[in-house]
Amino acid sequence: KQEVTQIPAALSVPEGENLVLNCSFTDSAIYNLQWFRQDPGKGLTSLLLIQSSQREQTSGRLNASLDKSSGRSTLYIAASQPGDSATYLCAVPKGGYGQNFVFGPGTRLSVLP
Amino acid sequence: EAQVTQNPRYLITVTGKKLTVTCSQNMNHEYMSWYRQDPGLGLRQIYYSMNVEVTDKGDVPEGYKVSRKEKRNFPLILESPSPNQTSLYFCASSLRDRVGLGSYEQYFGPGTRLTVT
Repeated sequence: KQEVTQIPAALSVPEGENLVLNCSFTDSAIYNLQWFRQDPGKGLTSLLLIQSSQREQTSGRLNASLDKSSGRSTLYIAASQPGDSATYLCAVPKGGYGQNFVFGPGTRLSVLP
Repeated sequence: EAQVTQNPRYLITVTGKKLTVTCSQNMNHEYMSWYRQDPGLGLRQIYYSMNVEVTDKGDVPEGYKVSRKEKRNFPLILESPSPNQTSLYFCASSLRDRVGLGSYEQYFGPGTRLTVT
């Protein structure tokens, strides 16, 4: 059974810091992994999608890496800003591939000005 | 503008009164899903659809029905809502990838906050 955990559950940092969010999954045979952000009371916004054949993906100040063998993905946020404050979630296909997804519980990030 | 729309955004109803939450996407995506989000339980998938007339159960399908008669629409039906279905509901869509084993990024709707009394 695929289980997804995220550490830390919450994080508060001053503006400008570089930070790392972690996502762990129990079944390493995944086809892809996706990172999202969610603002309070809002829908999810896709940040990065990493295919199993890739080791990392980058978008602006965000970099996500994937290590299937260890069952881990990390989301690196460079030079954090108050606008980055949100909950960050990762998701993987439950059976390794397909459209049945399992989401992690999320990391709530607060970036203080 | 590429988007996933849901209606209504907020709904308060009573136990047993049938309701439908609509979801529509304008991106010609093959895949669509419904999720519910609850404090302490996170985001859980209710149903998903691979294409028109093709649907499958997610992790929490009990008490829900779906249909996919058109590619752009994927309504969620609660035939006899109960208080334990009070939740925040999200619809999402994504494009089938070239290989066909997965999809590209999921796009989420703004959410429907449902309260069943």
